[in-house]
Amino acid sequence: QVTLKESGPVLVKPTETLTLTCTVSGFSLSNARMGVSWIRQPPGKALEWLAHIFSNDEKSYSTSLKSRLTISKDTSKSQVVLTMTNMDPVDTATFYCARTSKYPYDFDYWGQGTLVTVSS
Amino acid sequence: DIQMTQSPSSVSASVGDRVTITCRASQGISSWLTWYQQKPGNAPKLLIYAASSLQSGVPSRFSGSGSGTDFTLTISSLQPEDFATYYCQQANSFPLTFGGGTKVEIK
Repeated sequence: QVTLKESGPVLVKPTETLTLTCTVSGFSLSNARMGVSWIRQPPGKALEWLAHIFSNDEKSYSTSLKSRLTISKDTSKSQVVLTMTNMDPVDTATFYCARTSKYPYDFDYWGQGTLVTVSS
Repeated sequence: DIQMTQSPSSVSASVGDRVTITCRASQGISSWLTWYQQKPGNAPKLLIYAASSLQSGVPSRFSGSGSGTDFTLTISSLQPEDFATYYCQQANSFPLTFGGGTKVEIK
């Protein structure tokens, strides 16, 4: 059974760095076809893709947010970590991690999401 | 980046209606277009991949078509559980991008 679960702070202050962890089960992050993305959704707004990490540790980032994002993984812990620097209230959103298992890159499994609020 | 434009942004329909949602890519993406359904408070659910392939377990009243830059999601006979927001996503290349969403509301 494939599952993904996001964890991290529910509240961060402006200018702080956000660190989120996605813990996966039911598949291996070292499997050649597997990858994990982070996607966010501000309240009442659309989905926005943020970053992706492939099984070979190759990474891809949103063009507009590239300078603020870092994605990494710990295969032994089955975890994918996203850091986002210099948080602002407009970054308030539900953050999801989701799996891709093949090309093309669609998301067949998603975490439940975690709401992060940016406020002083 | 490939921009994805969905229309309409919202549609009001009744149970039993046929509903069509369109998605346009700013450049050709072959057939690498995915549709998701999202209900309030839930993560998106994959409905259709590769433009027209139905994900396992998804009712056959959902169908997708298109290639290149223009794509369509059709719900042949709207059911009460279909009231939700639908998103398209280009799965062709990174950076991945989503459409702005279409909310299907009860008329």
